[in-house]
Amino acid sequence: DIQMTQSPSSMSVSLGDTVTITCRASQDVGIYVNWFQQKPGKSPRRMIYRATNLADGVPSRFSGSRSGSDYSLTISSLESEDVADYHCLQYDEYPYTFGAGTKLELK
Amino acid sequence: QVKLLQSGAALVKPGASVKMSCKASGYTFTDYWVSWVKQSHGKSLEWIGEIYPNSGATNFNEKFKGKATLTVDKSTSTAYMELSRLTSEDSAIYYCTTTPFAYWGQGTLVTVSS
Repeated sequence: DIQMTQSPSSMSVSLGDTVTITCRASQDVGIYVNWFQQKPGKSPRRMIYRATNLADGVPSRFSGSRSGSDYSLTISSLESEDVADYHCLQYDEYPYTFGAGTKLELK
Repeated sequence: QVKLLQSGAALVKPGASVKMSCKASGYTFTDYWVSWVKQSHGKSLEWIGEIYPNSGATNFNEKFKGKATLTVDKSTSTAYMELSRLTSEDSAIYYCTTTPFAYWGQGTLVTVSS
């Protein structure tokens, strides 16, 4: 199975920060990486699809990038509503696999 | 708009089975695969498998073969997942989602306890 190694597992952040979360794929997964935001008691919400594409309705302060097998989600100028868990997913090869998640917490 | 409405929480005994539903609306049900995802311990997500409503074709995570059965009822635009021989390790929230994961149901909490 393809491993998606997500880091950091948690991050203490301040409003206005620029935050970057990374997933490293153990094999080539091309562009088939999504990023999800999840708030307590809610379903995951797709933020980025195909590595770099902003999903409908997602604020432009969110962006996705790729460098080789490293995939990153960046949040510019963090707002309070962005404090949540974030997950990456590869859907290039079965079984689809998620990263372990990153929890953002306010300092 | 696209909606996936899942069935309510279930409390089931060890060794039993549970069947949950995911009713789709707002799009052509037979056009998109439906995936099922497990969330344990409030954080990690696991892909269980997917079904293509038009044909009933399935793809599974090997880990869940023999544990999960996926079916659909095209007449009601509803996908189902049955989990068998339940243990405490199956206690989790289960989500249905359209592949590639644009839309999600609200989740079904399954608690396995005697």
